[in-house]
Amino acid sequence: RKEVEQDPGPFNVPEGATVAFNCTYSNSASQSFFWYRQDCRKEPKLLMSVYSSGNEDGRFTAQLNRASQYISLLIRDSKLSDSATYLCVVNPFPLAGGTSYGKLTFGQGTILTVHP
Amino acid sequence: DTEVTQTPKHLVMGMTNKKSLKCEQHMGHRAMYWYKQKAKKPPELMFVYSYEKLSINESVPSRFSPECPNSSLLNLHLHALQPEDSALYLCASARAGRETQYFGPGTRLLVL
Repeated sequence: RKEVEQDPGPFNVPEGATVAFNCTYSNSASQSFFWYRQDCRKEPKLLMSVYSSGNEDGRFTAQLNRASQYISLLIRDSKLSDSATYLCVVNPFPLAGGTSYGKLTFGQGTILTVHP
Repeated sequence: DTEVTQTPKHLVMGMTNKKSLKCEQHMGHRAMYWYKQKAKKPPELMFVYSYEKLSINESVPSRFSPECPNSSLLNLHLHALQPEDSALYLCASARAGRETQYFGPGTRLLVL
């Protein structure tokens, strides 16, 4: 089983649509969770961190379900500029102690295309 | 400001060349990283520096040699690379003790 699994898509949606991406992770001790977006031939950029209580940033809502080891990202009112690859990222190491620096585990990414 | 800069943007080198990639950040981050990314794949971790010391080497071939001269700079020295090493090389940094990483724009490397 992969450490972080995402549906690779591609998702093709019209402008204004709501789209949801899901991600599962295998290490139950993981403490840090993120969504990054990556445009074609560009670097990954942090979209949002994901907290247990869920969090929202404008049109974007992230949810974490620790019991199911499941992370989601909801995009409302999709824009053309949302077209990108969305990477689910997990730090499999606990925050306290150990070498928690940098061992991020990336999902394979979900490709989103928003069309007019 | 969450800027990480990388130079050069593009690099073409032969298998016998020696070149270096450079990464810089002025955010006071004490953890810096090198990743390699092939097309349509997620980034793969290569090296982690924590407080200017190498803390993680993900079994990277010795033809890649990292260096952290100070807390703001990270270099990746390249020597005798193979064509399969062609990829996007990404640098990232994070505050010590935090895991949110900020990526530079990358160096696109082509090995002929």
